[in-house]
Order: sequence, then structure tokens, then C-alpha cells
Amino acid sequence: ILNVEQSPQSLHVQEGDSTNFTCSFPSSNFYALHWYRWETAKSPEALFVMTLNGDEKKKGRISATLNTKEGYSYLYIKGSQPEDSATYLCAFRTNAGKSTFGDGTTLTVKP
Amino acid sequence: SQTIHQWPATLVQPVGSPLSLECTVEGTSNPNLYWYRQAAGRGLQLLFYSVGIGQISSEVPQNLSASRPQDRQFILSSKKLLLSDSGFYLCAWIRQDEQYFGPGTRLTVT
Repeated sequence: ILNVEQSPQSLHVQEGDSTNFTCSFPSSNFYALHWYRWETAKSPEALFVMTLNGDEKKKGRISATLNTKEGYSYLYIKGSQPEDSATYLCAFRTNAGKSTFGDGTTLTVKP
Repeated sequence: SQTIHQWPATLVQPVGSPLSLECTVEGTSNPNLYWYRQAAGRGLQLLFYSVGIGQISSEVPQNLSASRPQDRQFILSSKKLLLSDSGFYLCAWIRQDEQYFGPGTRLTVT
């Protein structure tokens, strides 16, 4: 069983705050690391897919970094808005095709 | 373009009844296919994945099974449902580096 861990489990911030959360994954058999924005009972919305150690990706106010040697990725949100409230999932994909999710970090942004 | 279909969208079944959820993919060939479940208050749990026809990897020992009778068809089944099988089931596939999800099936076992 692959351990993909996300922290914190939940986060409450004020509108305008910047925040970040962590995804930890095994450092062996790495193929890709995915980040998703997810609202319960809906399909996850893809944010980033990262494949190379040292990758940094950005989409608007959201960015992510990747360290495959130590097995972690950070997701950053700059200037949080209420519409950013959601659960953010990471998924670790092995070179054998297996894709395992963490339990997510639930972000609540208060106006 | 690529599309992934799941049906039914919602399902209410009594305990002990059989289950069949179907997932089909359009616009690609030989995709990696996945079944995930979100149980109440939890994240996405990988149930099965398949890298080709007839090739199924099971991640969680339980009363569910999966089959891949055709390249773009992935079926989740059970002979006898349990209350704990209730949840939201998502089918997904991977094309190159992107993972795409179907619309999901909400299963309630009563």
C-alpha cells in the first residue's frame, strides 16, 4: 500500500491570506504527482501534473512545487478568496500505472 | 476530444443485492482505467486499476470486483452489497500525463 499523506487535514483562513499545504509520497517508483481541486460528490478538477524533480507550476494565484528525491510537493494559494474553498487532493502515480490519492486538505476561506 | 461516461448517475440498492457500474471512455485507445470510491467524510480510495484488457489490480480486499471486457470499458461489480459499500464512485482514466474523471455514481445501500 502506497502512503500518500496530506497535511494539514483542514485549514481555515481569512480572505486575502496566503496559504500552503503539503503532499508527501514515496520517493521510489515515481512517475507523476497530480494536484486537484475537489468539491465532494463532484469530479476532481485538475490543477497541475508534475513529473520532474524541481518542477514549479503556476495557474493564476495557485502554484505548486515538487521534490521527488525527498518525496513532497507543496501547493500555494496567494491571496485566498472565498471561491478557493474546496478540498485539495494530491495523487501519486507510479511508473506501473497506479495512481493513489491522499485524503486531501480542506480549505475554508472566510470573507 | 476524450470523454468518459459513467452510469447510472444515482443508485439505491438493498443490502445483499448485486451491483454493476459501468464506465466507458471515448476518443482514446488502451487507456489506464481506475475505479475510486469516496465514502462519507473521507477522501478518494483507489479500488481497482487496469492497464489493459483483462488486467485488473485490486487495491482493497472487499466484496467488490472489476472487469475490463473491452479496451475502453471498465465495470465495477458486486454479488452482494453491504451497507458499507455506500458512497460516491468515480471512474478515471489517464492519457499521457493527465487523469480525467467521469461524472460519478452515487450509490446508497439501504
